[in-house]
Amino acid sequence: EVQLVQSGPEVKKPGESLRISCRGSGYNFGIYWINWVRQMPGKGLEWMGQIDPSDSTTHYSPSFQGHVNISADKSISTAYLHLSSLKASDSGIYYCARGREAAARWGQGTLVTVSS
Amino acid sequence: DVHMTQSPSSLSASVGDRVTITCQASQDITVNLNWYHQKPGKAPKLLIFDASNLETGAPSRFSGGGSGTHFSFTISSLQPEDIGTYFCQQYDDLVFTFGGGTKVEI
Repeated sequence: EVQLVQSGPEVKKPGESLRISCRGSGYNFGIYWINWVRQMPGKGLEWMGQIDPSDSTTHYSPSFQGHVNISADKSISTAYLHLSSLKASDSGIYYCARGREAAARWGQGTLVTVSS
Repeated sequence: DVHMTQSPSSLSASVGDRVTITCQASQDITVNLNWYHQKPGKAPKLLIFDASNLETGAPSRFSGGGSGTHFSFTISSLQPEDIGTYFCQQYDDLVFTFGGGTKVEI
């Protein structure tokens, strides 16, 4: 069974950094792009960027460029989302999702709370 | 960047009703358009890809159409399990963009 399993909830203080992981199983991790999507409380979906795990090529949303970094380690079938200089407005649920043009498989989501 | 305008933002309908949601792109995206359903507290689920193709396992009451800048998503007969929020999403020029969402209630 294809699964994307994300790391657990995080509570951070403003200014801190964060890394969320997304481990794929049940398929060849290297052949499907991984996307990261943010959903702020009660709001819609915001695409942050994506990575090709086979060679770590990345594309970022202009809205998130410079604030996030996406990486992957195909040897352990895991993609990562790094956020730096966290603000309260970074609070929300972060999803990883598999697919270059359509996200057909999603992780369960990681709740991030940024509060002093 | 391509901007997606989705309407309506919410709707209320009865079981068995035909429901239609639209998305308009700010520029021609051919058929690079997908539709998702998100139930409360859950991750989104892909229903339609490439504007009109039904994702494997998605019920046949869901359908999509359109090309260029105007797209539609239809539920032919609304069921209780269809409540939640529906999102369109375009992929063009190496960037995804989601529509604002349509909350469907019964």
